[in-house]
Amino acid sequence: DIQLTQSPSFLSPSVGDRVTITCRASQGINSYLAWYQQKPGKAPKLLIYAASTLQSGVPSRFSGSGSGTEFTLTISSLQPEDFATYYCQQVRSYPITFGQGTRLEIK
Amino acid sequence: EVQLVESGGGLVQPGGSLRLSCAASGFTFSDHYMDWVRQAPGKGLEWVGRVRNKANGYTTEYAASVKGRFTISRDDSKSSLYLQMNSLKTEDTAVYYCAKSYYATTAYFFDYWGQGTPVTVSS
Repeated sequence: DIQLTQSPSFLSPSVGDRVTITCRASQGINSYLAWYQQKPGKAPKLLIYAASTLQSGVPSRFSGSGSGTEFTLTISSLQPEDFATYYCQQVRSYPITFGQGTRLEIK
Repeated sequence: EVQLVESGGGLVQPGGSLRLSCAASGFTFSDHYMDWVRQAPGKGLEWVGRVRNKANGYTTEYAASVKGRFTISRDDSKSSLYLQMNSLKTEDTAVYYCAKSYYATTAYFFDYWGQGTPVTVSS
């Protein structure tokens, strides 16, 4: 199975900060990576797919980059509604796996 | 508007069975792969399994943790997805989400999710 390790697991930024979350895969997954946002009690929401493609309707302050084994999700200027948990996901091979999550809490 | 509505969750004893349903609307259900994902209380996301579309033979894939106990099926005439769960264990306790797969750049990503249905396995 492909393991995904996110760092950090927890972050306490301020509104307006630039935030970067990293996802490392245990083996190469090309660009078969997505990022999801989940708020408490809600379903996950697709933000980025194919490592760097912004899903329709997602604000442009979100961006993704990377290929192979290292990926990043960047929020250029954190907004109050962005405080949530973020997960990366690989779809390169079965079983599909997720990172353990990165929780953003308001400072 | 795409909608996915899960139902069928509840409390079941260890060793018991439960069947979850996911009613889809707002898109051509028969064209798409569909997946189940679960989330144990306070934990992260765990993929459960997938059913492909008719063009790909309705074939399925499962996580090792549920293989042989869970069965995913679909009824395209009803735009519905199902998860039959047998031999349930306490570690199957989770919120279960159905998700629609979106094909992009030779891979499938989950572009819409239902609101989830909770399953509790306890005596």
